[in-house]
Amino acid sequence: DAGVIQSPRHEVTEMGQEVTLRCKPISGHNSLFWYRQTMMRGLELLIYFNNNVPIDDSGMPEDRFSAKMPNASFSTLKIQPSEPRDSAVYFCASSLVGSGQETQYFGPGTRLLVL
Amino acid sequence: GENVEQHPSTLSVQEGDSAVIKCTYSDSASNYFPWYKQELGKRPQLIIDIRSNVGEKKDQRIAVTLNKTAKHFSLHITETQPEDSAVYFCAASRRNNRLAFGKGNQVVVIP
Repeated sequence: DAGVIQSPRHEVTEMGQEVTLRCKPISGHNSLFWYRQTMMRGLELLIYFNNNVPIDDSGMPEDRFSAKMPNASFSTLKIQPSEPRDSAVYFCASSLVGSGQETQYFGPGTRLLVL
Repeated sequence: GENVEQHPSTLSVQEGDSAVIKCTYSDSASNYFPWYKQELGKRPQLIIDIRSNVGEKKDQRIAVTLNKTAKHFSLHITETQPEDSAVYFCAASRRNNRLAFGKGNQVVVIP
């Protein structure tokens, strides 16, 4: 299995631009998580999908952030418009919730820099 | 929901010594407790986990202990090596629920 796949691995953009981050979960997993990690705030859960349905989006910072999961093998996190304070590493993780072993497997992350 | 706390936030140890990180959790129904290691610039990766029907689990130099009564679990690293320097995250969940992560502990192994 290739594990969780994220793209791009690095993104540099200018303030005000739209940014789209992509994630492919592990095949067969039914839950997908988007996290943001910074030195100041640590690892923050942004949103959590179960069976492609958003379950908890309380961590989404504001309306500039949106996430979708159109099918079981793909999800996007979009920031529009981006701001310098959005600079962070964004991780996607997936798991098989309900299996009795809710281990989350993380992707390599997308390092975002907003200038 | 579940609330997980880690102590201490930073731990420095001499190479060869042992390191212990403790986590507390709030939900008495939680039954799954994994530990993740994140090296600088890399993703968090699972290193060991334990279930509530077990009190201790070992894997080479690392071990995890669980005290259900007190609602805490600990990661023990023996004979620490420089490559053990990383941020360690604990997490907890009850069956069919997502993991709740602690904020992480920075472990520094001094050669």
